[in-house]
Amino acid sequence: GAVVSQHPSRVICKSGTSVKIECRSLDFQATTMFWYRQFPKQSLMLMATSNEGSKATYEQGVEKDKFLINHASLTLSTLTVTSAHPEDSSFYICSASPRQGIVNTEAFFGQGTRLTVV
Amino acid sequence: AQKVTQAQTEISVVEKEDVTLDCVYETRDTTYYLFWYKQPPSGELVFLIRRNSFDEQNEISGRYSWNFQKSTSSFNFTITASQVVDSAVYFCALSEGYQKVTFGTGTKLQVIP
Repeated sequence: GAVVSQHPSRVICKSGTSVKIECRSLDFQATTMFWYRQFPKQSLMLMATSNEGSKATYEQGVEKDKFLINHASLTLSTLTVTSAHPEDSSFYICSASPRQGIVNTEAFFGQGTRLTVV
Repeated sequence: AQKVTQAQTEISVVEKEDVTLDCVYETRDTTYYLFWYKQPPSGELVFLIRRNSFDEQNEISGRYSWNFQKSTSSFNFTITASQVVDSAVYFCALSEGYQKVTFGTGTKLQVIP
């Protein structure tokens, strides 16, 4: 199946700093990628939809100025957590699907990034 | 709006027992996709199956089987002869289009040796 690579897998940062997470589709092009967040022992919640060449669409309650998303190419989307605080500590995971017009295809997920803010 | 309900929060079984994980969904669309994912302790999501709304055929893959019933909006997952390696959190999910996926709250399965 298609491969989505996410980097880094784990990151620890100091409170107040920014952290960038990359999501790459390795063997296909993706006009749309999705970013999810998972708090401990909870489900995955969609944060935003990343659209290549345009602004991301954020879900209700997600601060767009705090979680900056850039989708500069058909194979790369980045999520930057700005001025991170301990409550931002979470598991972040991206997904993407091969571009196939309007036909929905299986979403492939990255390996996830565990962010710890100290 | 779409919704996925996994009523079982945690399940414990003894190795070699069969176990069924329940999933009930809500959607207004006639075309949709249902998924099951496995999340082991390491955190990554492992794709198990995708089923579209027009295909109600049950599927079997090794020890795994899925029962899709549109009449009850359910998509249950059965593991036969469970093994310790099956211990993980299992998520049922629904997608109505463009790959945006709504996840259930997950069922933590513990298989005891």
